[in-house]
Amino acid sequence: NAGVTQTPKFQVLKTGQSMTLQCAQDMNHNSMYWYRQDPGMGLRLIYYSASEGTTDKGEVPNGYNVSRLNKREFSLRLESAAPSQTSVYFCASIGGWYSYEQYFGPGTRLTVT
Amino acid sequence: AQSVTQLGSHVSVSEGALVLLRCNYSSSVPPYLFWYVQYPNQGLQLLLKYTSAATLVKGINGFEAEFKKSETSFHLTKPSAHMSDAAEYFCAVSVKGAQKLVFGQGTRLTINP
Repeated sequence: NAGVTQTPKFQVLKTGQSMTLQCAQDMNHNSMYWYRQDPGMGLRLIYYSASEGTTDKGEVPNGYNVSRLNKREFSLRLESAAPSQTSVYFCASIGGWYSYEQYFGPGTRLTVT
Repeated sequence: AQSVTQLGSHVSVSEGALVLLRCNYSSSVPPYLFWYVQYPNQGLQLLLKYTSAATLVKGINGFEAEFKKSETSFHLTKPSAHMSDAAEYFCAVSVKGAQKLVFGQGTRLTINP
């Protein structure tokens, strides 16, 4: 049971380049989340998916798109990276409807120059 | 809408001393409250959660937290700090049916030998 996995672990992009962050969970969870973590700001929700086939915006969605490919996978895409998107990105998933405990991946450290 | 304020972005204690990390929340409906811990270069791990059962909640690694509705607080304590407790701690709030967490800014705990 790997839990929540994320790829890549590290990435450096130039301004304007695009990339996709991958996330997968093997716990049969319905809901999945993408957060960004910046110093002094805690974790902020970018997008989430309550179930396969649905996605919703979180607190800071601008500049990002997501795809819930299937129940296991939830990807985050940066179409045209900007230095303001330099951050650590975490994927998380949640179990049952009343579970509330989110399980986090190890994170992707992204630098945009 | 819910919100969380963690008092003190950095707390430093001596090994063996009491650890107290403060968290105040705002919610118009009964909240669910969580403390997560993040060790360097890792994802977040759940320490403990309050979901409207006992107000004193015990978690992993000897941590506990008490829900005080009158003070809108959920402070995290540990009687005796250990070097391995050095990490960043996040308080988070959710409400029944929301399945979304709102995080505080985080408190970095340093343990002095």
